[in-house]
Amino acid sequence: GAGVSQSPRYKVAKRGQDVALRCDPISGHVSLFWYQQALGQGPEFLTYFQNEAQLDKSGLPSDRFFAERPEGSVSTLKIQRTQQEDSAVYLCASSLRDRGHEQYFGPGTRLTVT
Amino acid sequence: DQQVKQNSPSLSVQEGRISILNCDYTNSMFDYFLWYKKYPAEGPTFLISISSIKDKNEDGRFTVFLNKSAKHLSLHIVPSQPGDSAVYFCAASEDSTGTYKYIFGTGTRLKVLA
Repeated sequence: GAGVSQSPRYKVAKRGQDVALRCDPISGHVSLFWYQQALGQGPEFLTYFQNEAQLDKSGLPSDRFFAERPEGSVSTLKIQRTQQEDSAVYLCASSLRDRGHEQYFGPGTRLTVT
Repeated sequence: DQQVKQNSPSLSVQEGRISILNCDYTNSMFDYFLWYKKYPAEGPTFLISISSIKDKNEDGRFTVFLNKSAKHLSLHIVPSQPGDSAVYFCAASEDSTGTYKYIFGTGTRLKVLA
């Protein structure tokens, strides 16, 4: 079956532009996570959805970051007024609620802010 | 403050020998631990996990050991194969939060030499 997909795979934005990153989780997966991975670092948690409810957004670095999952499937991570420090790979992961420990990751979107 | 640490950024091992990857953590509330493997331009893929109620979990060539008193876990790969060459991330989660978000280490790049 299809895994987690993310689009675009690569995004170059000029500083100050808004960007939107899309995640298509595995069908039927209730839980969805966003992580940010800076160069040479491990992924860092941004936010978590259970169905359409955003239950944890403690990792979002500023109010320029916004995530939504309006129908409990596809999710979008939006970054407003991008800054150079936003350059990173953004990873999406999904899991079955009752097997929440096994998260399946997408390939990521590499964002470069120039 | 890094709650999950992988102090060896890289490791080289001969094919057929044992690879040992180490991970230390500081948060005593962590109760579930995982290892993920990552190839370039792909998302992390789940490898093996262990609950804090166990001290060992084995799956084929992969074994994870947990020493709670030392707040240390390790991943053993025996025998190592060239296809095991990748970046390995240790991750931890705290079930009581109900989020299952992962805290990742910075990764260890394993190179298995043929």
